[in-house]
Amino acid sequence: GESVGLHLPTLSVQEGDNSIINCAYSNSASDYFIWYKQESGKGPQFIIDIRSNMDKRQGQRVTVLLNKTVKHLSLQIAATQPGDSAVYFCAERGSSNTGKLIFGQGTTLQVKP
Amino acid sequence: GAGVSQTPSNKVTEKGKYVELRCDPISGHTALYWYRQSLGQGPEFLIYFQGTGAADDSGLPNDRFFAVRPEGSVSTLKIQRTERGDSAVYLCASSLTYNTDTQYFGPGTRLTVL
Repeated sequence: GESVGLHLPTLSVQEGDNSIINCAYSNSASDYFIWYKQESGKGPQFIIDIRSNMDKRQGQRVTVLLNKTVKHLSLQIAATQPGDSAVYFCAERGSSNTGKLIFGQGTTLQVKP
Repeated sequence: GAGVSQTPSNKVTEKGKYVELRCDPISGHTALYWYRQSLGQGPEFLIYFQGTGAADDSGLPNDRFFAVRPEGSVSTLKIQRTERGDSAVYLCASSLTYNTDTQYFGPGTRLTVL
């Protein structure tokens, strides 16, 4: 069935370093992917998204890379800050005919001062 | 408010009781989504609305769960005969339309069934 998964449950980085969070997806028909950040006790917060016709998209300090050949998605955070500490989820949408998102289990990012 | 709001923020109930969870989407958003998140897991899709109608309710776990959006704005998720396994955070999100991509989430309602 459809699934979105993350390679590592916890990632620990030094403040100021770059972080890379990975995600594998299984539905080759998915047309849209999105990254959310979730802090404890809060709802998921949109970070960045990418359509399947792109392979890279940049935002402020964040970059999402999409490799459709191996069905892999990554989120890169530049100059990681303590405020980046949170759980990060990737999600996919199976087609443009649905609004349903399928989420992975999440990666916890810990930023060491 | 500018964002999605959900009430109550916390709900404690006893097994077998009925509960209602409310979601106020971002003004002007026609699509509204409900997800459920268990501890340590990613959100799990339940149902979404485009306007007043449920476009996809395939994620509702059984017929004890029901959701409405009678005027195309506020939505209520209703759970009958609650079970301990229903304990989770129920998240609501909205987007401009169902395929206008970005879904914005509310803070969630934490439901605890004793």
